[in-house]
Amino acid sequence: GAVVSQHPSWVICKSGTSVKIECRSLDFQATTMFWYRQFPKQSLMLMATSNEGSKATYEQGVEKDKFLINHASLTLSTLTVTSAHPEDSSFYICSARDAGGDGSPLHFGNGTRLTVT
Amino acid sequence: GQNIDQPTEMTATEGAIVQINCTYQTSGFNGLFWYQQHAGEAPTFLSYNVLDGLEEKGRFSSFLSRSKGYSYLLLKELQMKDSASYLCAVKDSNYQLIWGAGTKLIIKP
Repeated sequence: GAVVSQHPSWVICKSGTSVKIECRSLDFQATTMFWYRQFPKQSLMLMATSNEGSKATYEQGVEKDKFLINHASLTLSTLTVTSAHPEDSSFYICSARDAGGDGSPLHFGNGTRLTVT
Repeated sequence: GQNIDQPTEMTATEGAIVQINCTYQTSGFNGLFWYQQHAGEAPTFLSYNVLDGLEEKGRFSSFLSRSKGYSYLLLKELQMKDSASYLCAVKDSNYQLIWGAGTKLIIKP
């Protein structure tokens, strides 16, 4: 089945530093990937839609200069949290949909737990 | 606005049956998904409904009524490993996924 690999699984960084999270589709090509954030006991919140070869589409309220998304190939999208602050601590999850049509489910990476100290 | 409602938490007994309901009000409808999410992990796909009726997949079944804006996930022969959050998500007219807050299911022996 379709596999999405996300790295790292967890990261601790100091306030003011930047963190890059990678999301790879291992056995399928993903023209579109999605980045979510999930705070404890809350639902998934879509941050942005990453499109291969073009600029990402950000959801309202998500700062595009703070959360940099690059989707340079059909199998890799990266999310960089720039100048991280403690309030950015969260569970970040990427997902991608294979080419199975509208009914095909999202395949999720295992998530990255970011802690900013 | 768009809204998806699920109970926050449910408790059931090992070996029993539980039904998790989901009601939605969205701008258009292009399918409904159920996902399972264990604590600290990413969601995994369970089922997809786009037409009215029941879809059965092993111990899990999902039902949809588009006229009522209603779905449920039915879990049979509950096992301890079924303790997780269950997320309902609806694809709207723009094919955007709208997520419910999830139902935390607690299984007791």
